Amino acid sequence: KNQVEQSPQSLIILEGKNCTLQCNYTVSPFSNLRWYKQDTGRGPVSLTIMTFSENTKSNGRYTATLDADTKQSSLHITASQLSDSASYICVVSPLFEGYSSASKIIFGSGTRLSIRP
Amino acid sequence: NAGVTQTPKFQVLKTGQSMTLQCAQDMNHEYMSWYRQDPGMGLRLIHYSVGAGITDQGEVPNGYNVSRSTTEDFPLRLLSAAPSQTSVYFCASSYSGGWTAGELFFGEGSRLTVL
Repeated sequence: KNQVEQSPQSLIILEGKNCTLQCNYTVSPFSNLRWYKQDTGRGPVSLTIMTFSENTKSNGRYTATLDADTKQSSLHITASQLSDSASYICVVSPLFEGYSSASKIIFGSGTRLSIRP
Repeated sequence: NAGVTQTPKFQVLKTGQSMTLQCAQDMNHEYMSWYRQDPGMGLRLIHYSVGAGITDQGEVPNGYNVSRSTTEDFPLRLLSAAPSQTSVYFCASSYSGGWTAGELFFGEGSRLTVL
């Protein structure tokens, strides 16, 4: 069964510190992997997208890495800010030979990140 | 540009009542979908549509109904509300839901409580 698992479930760090969130997936075959940020009471918003051929993708202070061989991805946040407090969701799209690929997307349960001043 | 708009943001129902969650997008996206989000679980797909007049079931469709008469609108109907349907519901759309899954654009969510 295709699954996406994230760790840790929750994380608290001090403002200005770095952190890394993990995502392991068993989805195969694999099309792409996205990280979404979900602020409290809001809908998720895409941060990065990576295909199987990409190893690293940056978006400002966010850097995502992907190891397609071990089926692992990480999201590294540098110099954290209070506004980084949110849930971060790993989302994997399987390679699907049909005209409804978006319906096959699999979501992780997220990592809840809290930044303390 | 409003993006994906959901109404209402909050709703309290009694068991057995019916209601409709509204979703509209102004990005001319082909693909629209409804998810529910429960604590400790990933987003789960309820129903989706790849275009006007075309809908299909997702992972957890029981107790919900959808229709898509226009590209812009994709309402979700709860037929007879049950406490198990207490959740936060998200509507999402994508420019590409067909051969390649594009970025999903989410609404702000509708928090539903069934007593």
